[in-house]
Amino acid sequence: DSGVTQTPKHLITATGQRVTLRCSPRSGDLSVYWYQQSLDQGLQFLIQYYNGEERAKGNILERFSAQQFPDLHSELNLSSLELGDSALYFCASSVEGGGSTDAQYFGPGTRLTVL
Amino acid sequence: GENVEQHPSTLSVQEGDSAVIKCTYSDSASNYFPWYKQELGKGPQLIIDIRSNVGEKKDQRIAVTLNKTAKHFSLHITETQPEDSAVYFCAAMSSDRGSTLGRLYFGRGTQLTVWP
Repeated sequence: DSGVTQTPKHLITATGQRVTLRCSPRSGDLSVYWYQQSLDQGLQFLIQYYNGEERAKGNILERFSAQQFPDLHSELNLSSLELGDSALYFCASSVEGGGSTDAQYFGPGTRLTVL
Repeated sequence: GENVEQHPSTLSVQEGDSAVIKCTYSDSASNYFPWYKQELGKGPQLIIDIRSNVGEKKDQRIAVTLNKTAKHFSLHITETQPEDSAVYFCAAMSSDRGSTLGRLYFGRGTQLTVWP
């Protein structure tokens, strides 16, 4: 158990809908990262937050957004969902992040299925 | 950005044999190289990592080597056991704010199967 928690574990929804994925980092970690894992793209970095502020952006679609709250938990919002958004979404956390090479610890993931 | 290539994509070994997985990277600014193990239905689990100021690191049956000049790093698992069966991912990260800002770039993974 990495100490990173994610909810829900599974999510099934329809095209055009909007969903919210939630992540709680390990105790003491200030950075949260979101990754998408799919068969064709592999593990891809989406976005990083550090202590409530956006730190880095990767291959994140404009339909997707994220935020980190004062208690350091993070939410990833996916809107106008398409079939191709079906994937595993992982959250990871580290003590710091950006400018340092802290180890990242991953949560168990949320499996999103868009029908 | 960084490009990480991983080989082989599948690897089958007999229990007790050694397994080696190799990765190459493209960005010379990368200075942190973790390895993750992912079992079915679970998230990636960090098993070992190495920073660019060392050439080798060991943790019991697992070792990682790094060749910065050639830009490649490898995972070595000795005395493999059936419970080592999983997908293994290599990754690279740079702490240079001007390039990749501490994000992980992953290889495509190696499915390791250890036969009893």
